[in-house]
Amino acid sequence: QKEVEQNSGPLSVPEGAIASLNCTYSDRGSQSFFWYRQYSGKSPELIMSIYSNGDKEDGRFTAQLNKASQYVSLLIRDSQPSDSATYLCAVRYSGNTPLVFGKGTRLSVIA
Amino acid sequence: DARVTQTPRDKVTEMGQEVTMRCQPILGHNTVFWYRQTMMQGLELLAYFRNRAPLDDSGMPKDRFSAEMPDATLATLKIQPSEPRDSAVYFCASGRHGDTEAFFGQGTRLTVV
Repeated sequence: QKEVEQNSGPLSVPEGAIASLNCTYSDRGSQSFFWYRQYSGKSPELIMSIYSNGDKEDGRFTAQLNKASQYVSLLIRDSQPSDSATYLCAVRYSGNTPLVFGKGTRLSVIA
Repeated sequence: DARVTQTPRDKVTEMGQEVTMRCQPILGHNTVFWYRQTMMQGLELLAYFRNRAPLDDSGMPKDRFSAEMPDATLATLKIQPSEPRDSAVYFCASGRHGDTEAFFGQGTRLTVV
């Protein structure tokens, strides 16, 4: 049973601060890792993907992967109220298998 | 504007009725996923197809749920008979085999009363 664990939150951060979202996964053979953002009442949208150990930066977002610790994180710099949403961590074991999602962390950025 | 299209967006039905949800994947995508989202369970995979063939439907209650792809532009998820515990948001997502991203439709919010 492949599992993806996230703290449900809510995680509250002041505007302009760094938000740090964390995710652990159970299957050591997992190969691909994703962060989706989901606004209330909307569908998940992909914001970051990461495949190898280390950091990957895209604008204000940085994804971090540590396969030895089975840990992936998302940092949001200069958090804005528009970043308030639920962030879903997703893991894929191989290119042929569906994504397994965590239950999400709700982020609230306070103006 | 390439996107996954789902219909209906909202459905309220009485217990025991049949419900059919439809999904049009992004043109050129050959893999289709059906997920169900609830507050308690999060996003759960129900079934997925590649090149219209079902690869895994182990997440579906077989006695009441069925999923099909009559053609490459249409996937359906049917519940018969529906029960209140089926109330959830049902998402369809599509992707290309070999790619890693999956793109989600807007979802169908199902309420069974």
